[in-house]
This record gives sequence, C-alpha cells and structure tokens, in this order.
Amino acid sequence: LAKTTQPISMDSYEGQEVNITCSHNNIATNDYITWYQQFPSQGPRFIIQGYKTKVTNEVASLFIPADRKSSTLSLPRVSLSDTAVYYCLVGLSYSSASKIIFGSGTRLSIRP
Amino acid sequence: DTGVSQDPRHKITKRGQNVTFRCDPISEHNRLYWYRQTLGQGPEFLTYFQNEAQLEKSRLLSDRFSAERPKGSFSTLEIQRTEQGDSAMYLCASSFGDTNQPQHFGDGTRLSIL
Repeated sequence: LAKTTQPISMDSYEGQEVNITCSHNNIATNDYITWYQQFPSQGPRFIIQGYKTKVTNEVASLFIPADRKSSTLSLPRVSLSDTAVYYCLVGLSYSSASKIIFGSGTRLSIRP
Repeated sequence: DTGVSQDPRHKITKRGQNVTFRCDPISEHNRLYWYRQTLGQGPEFLTYFQNEAQLEKSRLLSDRFSAERPKGSFSTLEIQRTEQGDSAMYLCASSFGDTNQPQHFGDGTRLSIL
C-alpha cells in the first residue's frame, strides 16, 4: 500500500510560485500520481496526474524524478483563490479502489 | 457535462433516525465511489460500484450502512440508526474507465447528528 507524506501546511504570497512535495517511497511500478485540490464545503477537484518526468497543464506542473519516490506539484504565480487543501494520491493503477488513500493533505494559505 | 450532483447538501437528524443520500454521477461514467470526510481529514473510501455491481466495501462501512446503484445510474447511501460518530461530509465521485482515471467529485452531503 503506497502511503504518501506531505507537509501539513504551507504559506506563500500572491504572485509567487508554490511547490508542494509529496513522498511516496513505496510507489509500485504501475502507480500513477494524482493531485487534487479541495476548498471548504466542496468536493476535491482533480488538478493533475502523471507517471514520470514532467506533466504540465493549464493550472499546474507535476515533476516526478526518475526513482518516482517523490513528486512535486508546482503552482505558478498563485493568487488568493489558490488557498485550499492539496492532496497527493498514488495507487490509482490498483484495481482495488480501497487502496486509494487521500491522507490529510497540505493546507496552502496565500497572503496578499 | 453537469458534474456530479448530490442531494441533499445538508441533513440534520436525531440520533437513531435513518437517512438516505443520493448521488447522480456524470452520465456515461461507469464507476461510482462513496467517501466520508471528517473535519481536518482527507476523504476516506467507503464503497465503490462498477456499473450496478458493488465491488468493494471498506471496513468503515458497518452493517448500518448500505449503498445501491440500481441500473448503474444514480446511487443511494443509507445509514440506519444513526450515531453521533456518523456526523461527517459524505462525498460521491464518479469516473470512466479503469482506476487510473481521475475521479470527479460532487460537493457532498453534510450530515449532522443531534
């Protein structure tokens, strides 16, 4: 079971780049890495998913080193609306849905 | 694509009562998941359907909990004889294809037990 470790909280300022790192030492060969964002009183929202190297979409980038034991979510030029909890998940390649573990996430606070 | 819809958004009930929540997934999504989330924690997996078949249930899902997905469309989650510890946000998510595919979440039903 691939467990993830993320910082509990992070602070940054508007306009800065924010990098949130997730450790997943026991990641399996077929596991994907997926990040979600959650605002209060809302369900999690998919941000980005990757398997190796780098993935970029319109909102974020995901960097995955060769050993895949960690990954970094990069949010460019954050704004106040990026204040949220961010979850790193691994193991979506498992056929067993019960192996999907969200953990406690990283609480990101953006200041003016 | 209207997203995943959950009803009601809030439910307040007395201990011992039964409650039922409904989830309407994104049409054509064959997979449907139920999660429970308590304050300050991430969502915890409860159960999962592929089409109308309930394929997995978490140990968190006691005998008081039952979920259905008739005809592989909407799903209901029922809690019988509610307890204080059942107070939580109940989230539904859906996806298409295999478990690699990202899940699309509804905004949940917040249950408060008096």
